[in-house]
Amino acid sequence: QKEVEQDPGPLSVPEGAIVSLNCTYSNSAFQYFMWYRQYSRKGPELLMYTYSSGNKEDGRFTAQVDKSSKYISLFIRDSQPSDSATYLCAMKSPRRGGGADGLTFGKGTHLIIQP
Amino acid sequence: DAGITQSPRHKVTETGTPVTLRCHQTENHRYMYWYRQDPGHGLRLIHYSYGVKDTDKGEVSDGYSVSRSKTEDFLLTLESATSSQTSVYFCAISESTYNEQFFGPGTRLTVL
Repeated sequence: QKEVEQDPGPLSVPEGAIVSLNCTYSNSAFQYFMWYRQYSRKGPELLMYTYSSGNKEDGRFTAQVDKSSKYISLFIRDSQPSDSATYLCAMKSPRRGGGADGLTFGKGTHLIIQP
Repeated sequence: DAGITQSPRHKVTETGTPVTLRCHQTENHRYMYWYRQDPGHGLRLIHYSYGVKDTDKGEVSDGYSVSRSKTEDFLLTLESATSSQTSVYFCAISESTYNEQFFGPGTRLTVL
């Protein structure tokens, strides 16, 4: 079982729709959760960072974490064609050393917003 | 890209040659990381540094070495490049192990 599972898509939705992107994880030690957006041939861009269960909102983006279910989500409201990209979830534990200071990533979901 | 540059941005090399990739930051962050991104695998940690001359291995460190002689620079070296090291390499930085990581623009490496 992979540590982080993420549906690769593609996920295609019409402009203006609410988008829901999800990741599940198996390592209960993960305490810090991030969502990145990556355009083709570009570096990942940080969208959201959270370390507690519940919701965190930033503009059109809402990150949701459910540690009891080991499930995180990113919601995009009023989706725009410019939101078309690959979305990566990432997470890490508080543990130090032995590579634990790095992030564990999902493989990414390719999102297409149709004008 | 949060004050992070990577050089070169593209490189084509031959099997068996040494290759060094450079990451430079202007944010004075303590932590620096090297990841590689491959289709079907996502982003995976190669090595990272938690201070000048302090480094540790990641998930896929075999065949790679790193050095950090200054806060702002983190070098990734492939001593003898192999075709399996064809990938896109990303550098990232963070203030501490508990803070967000910010990524550079990437280096696309092809080993023939």
